Amino acid sequence: DTAVSQTPKYLVTQMGNDKSIKCEQNLGHDTMYWYKQDSKKFLKIMFSYNNKELIINETVPNRFSPKSPDKAHLNLHINSLELGDSAVYFCASSQDGSGGPSYEQYFGPGTRLTVT
Amino acid sequence: AQSVAQPEDQVNVAEGNPLTVKCTYSVSGNPYLFWYVQYPNRGLQFLLKYITGDNLVKGSYGFEAEFNKSQTSFHLKKPSALVSDSALYFCAVRDISNFNKFYFGSGTKLNVKP
Repeated sequence: DTAVSQTPKYLVTQMGNDKSIKCEQNLGHDTMYWYKQDSKKFLKIMFSYNNKELIINETVPNRFSPKSPDKAHLNLHINSLELGDSAVYFCASSQDGSGGPSYEQYFGPGTRLTVT
Repeated sequence: AQSVAQPEDQVNVAEGNPLTVKCTYSVSGNPYLFWYVQYPNRGLQFLLKYITGDNLVKGSYGFEAEFNKSQTSFHLKKPSALVSDSALYFCAVRDISNFNKFYFGSGTKLNVKP
């Protein structure tokens, strides 16, 4: 029944490692996002995909690479992890295109990444 | 530039009293406005939205928000607060003219005391 799911929920790793976070939505939405929430709870958009096409790519280090194999999935791969990457990463989805756009986003439960 | 401001980091209210969480926005075109709530260690949950139509919109859990175009505000309200409403609340605006990009406010922590 989970609408937007993310794995893993927690990720603890050392500096320099490479890690991936996976996201899946079963809402049939056409747009998916990655957000970073810092320790002060500020939300910053990182990427957005519409029908597997990258449409928003904010000023994010190129160590971060999103991949959308299909409309229902958006994964985030991070190379050479740094201490400053520690944060909670949220995936979200929305229906923006044909079939009745609703515009609001639905968020996953988040992945807490800790880099030591 | 598009932006959202939540002027209060924290709002304290007694249970049973009305609550207001403030939000003002700046957007070049017609605003698409949203409120979300975040409970500890959870993702954001959609509460309500204003796209067009009536200025007063009703949402989940008894919350409502009033769109005021002249004051560029979209304050969240509830007539009678519950302790369980204590959470972090985010206002957001969507820029339809810029890849449907969302802009979130900095969040307001609502504390409802028994």
